[in-house]
Amino acid sequence: NAGVTQTPKFQVLKTGQSMTLQCAQDMNHEYMSWYRQDPGMGLRLIHYSVGAGITDQGEVPNGYNVSRSTTEDFPLRLLSAAPSQTSVYFCASRPTGNQPQHFGDGTRLSIL
Amino acid sequence: QQPVQSPQAVILREGEDAVINCSSSKALYSVHWYRQKHGEAPVFLMILLKGGEQKGHEKISASFNEKKQQSSLYLTASQLSYSGTYFCGTEDTSGTYKYIFGTGTRLKVLA
Repeated sequence: NAGVTQTPKFQVLKTGQSMTLQCAQDMNHEYMSWYRQDPGMGLRLIHYSVGAGITDQGEVPNGYNVSRSTTEDFPLRLLSAAPSQTSVYFCASRPTGNQPQHFGDGTRLSIL
Repeated sequence: QQPVQSPQAVILREGEDAVINCSSSKALYSVHWYRQKHGEAPVFLMILLKGGEQKGHEKISASFNEKKQQSSLYLTASQLSYSGTYFCGTEDTSGTYKYIFGTGTRLKVLA
């Protein structure tokens, strides 16, 4: 059972480039979320989804897009990368009913 | 608004005890606690579902007071392996189903 899988694990981009961070889960969880964690800081919610076809904004959504076409996949798109988006990105999923998050290993993203 | 944790950081000697608090300005239906080691993803420790109920994990336990909108994590006889950053997490109770984390507490245990 793979759990939550994030790809890539590391990425370096130039300012202005776009890219998609992939996230897939095989636990049939309805809820999926993306967080960013800056060095020495907490986890800030970017976007989340409560089911296929349903997404909503978190605390820091600007500069990011998401879609949820299937229960399993929840990709995060950076539209035009900026140095302020240098961070570690975590994807998480959980079942319904006040259940805890299951995390992927994270994507370490640097924007030059 | 995210729950506030206190203290922000704490340094212990092996064998000492610590308490980490998580306070919310909104009602809490449940609280989850996580530990994150440096360079790794957060790992779920325990869930608190009922007011005043305590759960245990190794020598780590927690309590949840619904009325005070608070939860506390108790680390007893700390070990070097307890070092890391601790987060409380909860589902937002305004009906959005978004999941938010507390501000975090960095814990370092010294030999």
